[in-house]
Amino acid sequence: EPEVTQTPSHQVTQMGQEVILRCVPISNHLYFYWYRQILGQKVEFLVSFYNNEISEKSEIFDDQFSVERPDGSNFTLKIRSTKLEDSAMYFCASRLQGGHYGYTFGSGTRLTVV
Amino acid sequence: GQQLNQSPQSMFIQEGEDVSMNCTSSSIFNTWLWYKQDPGEGPVLLIALYKAGELTSNGRLTAQFGITRKDSFLNISASIPSDVGIYFCAGLEGAQKLVFGQGTRLTINP
Repeated sequence: EPEVTQTPSHQVTQMGQEVILRCVPISNHLYFYWYRQILGQKVEFLVSFYNNEISEKSEIFDDQFSVERPDGSNFTLKIRSTKLEDSAMYFCASRLQGGHYGYTFGSGTRLTVV
Repeated sequence: GQQLNQSPQSMFIQEGEDVSMNCTSSSIFNTWLWYKQDPGEGPVLLIALYKAGELTSNGRLTAQFGITRKDSFLNISASIPSDVGIYFCAGLEGAQKLVFGQGTRLTINP
């Protein structure tokens, strides 16, 4: 069963530091997403990415956030200057073009900002 | 943005019992999805619904898309220990964005 792979599984960083969360989407998928889940809360949309550009982003996805697909396999989320409230699980997801909307999610990266 | 209200927030049942949970919205969604999340894992798709009134089954799971497109329910029959987890409904807003409900935490007593 194809998987979305995320690394690291857990990252601890100091407030103000930059972090990069990494994802390897399913190889033939063309749409890529980042979602986050603050502990005990619902999953929230951050950004969608298609054809090497952002197609939609939420109000959470401010100037501190950026995404990149640096090569044919990786999809990254960068937070430039982390804040305590950025502590959350970050999920990467991908789906096929023209496929149904049942995205495949990765297992997540737990980001802890101290 | 649109919001989904999911209920109940938590359920405590005996193994073998049937489970029912639902999701409502003040706005129309054209696609509804039900996901399950195990601890430390990402959401896993259970059932996708595309047409108003659609009733879809996946093993012991059954979900329906409300006629008004503003609600959906998920039923689990004859629950087993591995059904434990958090169940989320999600609606597709626009072409890309999934809006999730708050989740229903299911606990099963053996």
